[in-house]
Amino acid sequence: DAGVTQSPTHLIKTRGQQVTLRCSPISGHKSVSWYQQVLGQGPQFIFQYYEKEERGRGNFPDRFSARQFPNYSSELNVNALLLGDSALYLCASGTGWTEAFFGQGTRLTVV
Amino acid sequence: GIQVEQSPPDLILQEGANSTLRCNFSDSVNNLQWFHQNPWGQLINLFYIPSGTKQNGRLSATTVATERYSLLYISSSQTTDSGVYFCAVANAGGTSYGKLTFGQGTILTVHP
Repeated sequence: DAGVTQSPTHLIKTRGQQVTLRCSPISGHKSVSWYQQVLGQGPQFIFQYYEKEERGRGNFPDRFSARQFPNYSSELNVNALLLGDSALYLCASGTGWTEAFFGQGTRLTVV
Repeated sequence: GIQVEQSPPDLILQEGANSTLRCNFSDSVNNLQWFHQNPWGQLINLFYIPSGTKQNGRLSATTVATERYSLLYISSSQTTDSGVYFCAVANAGGTSYGKLTFGQGTILTVHP
């Protein structure tokens, strides 16, 4: 079975632009969560979606938004990019209550 | 919110040595996971262990939920064990049951 897949793996954007990151969960998993990891720190929770509803939101500005589709895949959108948004963005899938499994991440560089 | 502290922050070993990594957390949890982050950034699941003891080869983990700590043991370390080890927990009383709070990690370097 395929694991959690994220796309793209790397991208470079200019300040002020908008970006969309994508995540496909493990088959059968209905929960998708997004995390931001800046260099030298642990991942920070951004959003969780379960059965297409937002179930949790971390301490991130409204420039960050997400959604989950009927097939349980998810997109994370970030508007008006800042240099400080440069980070590794990680997606995790799970059943919601127990073990989470992470994708390989998308490395975003804002210049 | 829940606080997670990992120790030590850095650990340098010779190949073949044993090590213990610790994770302290500030509130009751219903999920605790240990991860190894490889150089490419992927978080590899080591253990899902909200309580009790588990073993997988040279690695084992123990969580004492009542005392709010977990330990990860690495025996006979190998150079491939190098990387960052994270402990992550989900608060039992939280409204977002899927939200993991991560510690700052332990950077392990194993020399040949």
